[in-house]
Amino acid sequence: DTEVTQTPKHLVMGMTNKKSLKCEQHMGHRAMYWYKQKAKKPPELMFVYSYEKLSINESVPSRFSPECPNSSLLNLHLHALQPEDSALYLCASSPFDRGFFSPLHFGNGTRLTVT
Amino acid sequence: DAKTTQPNSMESNEEEPVHLPCNHSTISGTDYIHWYRQLPSQGPEYVIHGLTSNVNNRMASLAIAEDRKSSTLILHRATLRDAAVYYCIRTGGGTSYGKLTFGQGTILTVHP
Repeated sequence: DTEVTQTPKHLVMGMTNKKSLKCEQHMGHRAMYWYKQKAKKPPELMFVYSYEKLSINESVPSRFSPECPNSSLLNLHLHALQPEDSALYLCASSPFDRGFFSPLHFGNGTRLTVT
Repeated sequence: DAKTTQPNSMESNEEEPVHLPCNHSTISGTDYIHWYRQLPSQGPEYVIHGLTSNVNNRMASLAIAEDRKSSTLILHRATLRDAAVYYCIRTGGGTSYGKLTFGQGTILTVHP
């Protein structure tokens, strides 16, 4: 079992829907990450939060909106997605005790299908 | 741009050692080498990381070449559970600071 919990495990949404992905960790980690992974491809970095502040945005389209309400929670708000956004969305956290070189702990992801 | 090169796939037999190579010929002095693996239907899992010296932990060993242009992840006795995609990743400063960027990885198959 992973210590990074992602909900829901599966999500199907239409292109006009608004939905949110949730990620939670209780390890006291101070950095949290969103990655996107298409089938048979490596994970691609989307966003990085450190100390609840957005540190990195990898030029992600505005239909993806991240939010870090506190150090344990990370959300990804989805609006007006396209079918090509269907993918596995992975959340990760790290203790940040050695800055960005601290190992990441990943959740098992949310499998998103956009119809 | 992950800036590491790994073989697409490798095979091993159960209980034999596995040496997974990674080339990072453009590595800079402050770049770390990280290894993660991803089992089927799971998120990536941290394996090991190092800067210059060889490193050991309960999962694996990491051997870093003296010129740091390559490294090898060593699984001492492969099990069926080690079948996964193994990613070798550089992390460092400059514009890539804070970014754990995955390359294509090596698919490891372990035969019983």
